[in-house]
Amino acid sequence: DQQVKQNSPSLSVQEGRISILNCDYTNSMFDYFLWYKKYPAEGPTFLISISSIKDKNEDGRFTVFLNKSAKHLSLHIVPSQPGDSAVYFCAASTSGNTPLVFGKGTRLSVIA
Amino acid sequence: EPEVTQTPSHQVTQMGQEVILRCVPISNHLYFYWYRQILGQKVEFLVSFYNNEISEKSEIFDDQFSVERPDGSNFTLKIRSTKLEDSAMYFCARTGLANYNEQFFGPGTRLTVL
Repeated sequence: DQQVKQNSPSLSVQEGRISILNCDYTNSMFDYFLWYKKYPAEGPTFLISISSIKDKNEDGRFTVFLNKSAKHLSLHIVPSQPGDSAVYFCAASTSGNTPLVFGKGTRLSVIA
Repeated sequence: EPEVTQTPSHQVTQMGQEVILRCVPISNHLYFYWYRQILGQKVEFLVSFYNNEISEKSEIFDDQFSVERPDGSNFTLKIRSTKLEDSAMYFCARTGLANYNEQFFGPGTRLTVL
């Protein structure tokens, strides 16, 4: 039962170009969405989040877009840098101190 | 925001042994979570802990698991009789100080059950 899906296991992008990571969810009760970056043998690092009352949130090179009708969100990284190479996890929750439900992750490789 | 710290970073144990994993949060934090990630799989929720009581737990969190905050600061996850399939990275997380919807993770403990 995958409530949060990241259908692309990997993505390769050239340095300086845009990286677009996608995430779909099935549970219409989710109203808060987060993106995490993870290196091997380390904990997930919080990147950016968005509430369901918004359709876009931007923080520096990172922008998250939310399409509630399609139950889809995406993370844009512009410009991509080699240090962005990691596994990116999408997570969702119902607001108010509830557990996060994670996708399986997408491995991003930024090639110099 | 500062995260939490976890000890040990790596624990190797024999099947059937008890292990205790520790999380050291900011002292005035009340809401914590434990998650695990089996190698190559997604991060999964185990249990949430609020004001020294279990708030919510997943199907994974069976009778072999327990959580405590024994001294008001350290926050522990105990596995009473480890199984091979308990081998995973275990992460402690806390809610954000400004936004309770955000969670910040510790570096994790790698548990290897032989």
